[in-house]
Amino acid sequence: AQSVAQPEDQVNVAEGNPLTVKCTYSVSGNPYLFWYVQYPNRGLQFLLKYITGDNLVKGSYGFEAEFNKSQTSFHLKKPSALVSDSALYFCAVREKLAGNTGKLIFGQGTTLQVKP
Amino acid sequence: GAGVSQSPRYKVAKRGQDVALRCDPISGHVSLFWYQQALGQGPEFLTYFQNEAQLDKSGLPSDRFFAERPEGSVSTLKIQRTQQEDSAVYLCASSTHTGGGYTFGSGTRLTVV
Repeated sequence: AQSVAQPEDQVNVAEGNPLTVKCTYSVSGNPYLFWYVQYPNRGLQFLLKYITGDNLVKGSYGFEAEFNKSQTSFHLKKPSALVSDSALYFCAVREKLAGNTGKLIFGQGTTLQVKP
Repeated sequence: GAGVSQSPRYKVAKRGQDVALRCDPISGHVSLFWYQQALGQGPEFLTYFQNEAQLDKSGLPSDRFFAERPEGSVSTLKIQRTQQEDSAVYLCASSTHTGGGYTFGSGTRLTVV
């Protein structure tokens, strides 16, 4: 079965500093990996995904993620954090379903706190 | 519509009541998913539709949970005889046939008292 682990419940960074939110995964076959962000009382907003190709994936709002097959990791990064980046971040892996689509298996989430 | 729309946004139910949660997916999206997100947790898969066919309901926690999508667009998640442990945010997502991207609604926060 596919699974995702986010080892940090919370990450604190100062505004302007680089940030990293960690994610490791366990899959059979080639992974489809996703990052979503959730603001209070809002749904999940898509940030980026890795399907195939370059290991460095660029996404929305200046975020990027690096796929590392040997370490089975897909860490989310941003060179310079903003206070408005403070939110709950979820890593997810896609598990294939019937009908040529897949359901998302989510990690537990990491709260990012960016302080001015 | 432009996004996935869910209603109501908030629902308070007395224990034992039945509730119905609605999801209106992006027009033309074949796949529709329901997830349950307990407080402080990641979303967990409940069920999946391709058009009107419910192809996977392995995540439904009990037979009190029932979902339908009779015309292949709007979907309803029904919970019968609600219990306190059903309190959660229920998220709906839709995607194209290939499922390369998923658009989530804002969710319905259900509180059972």
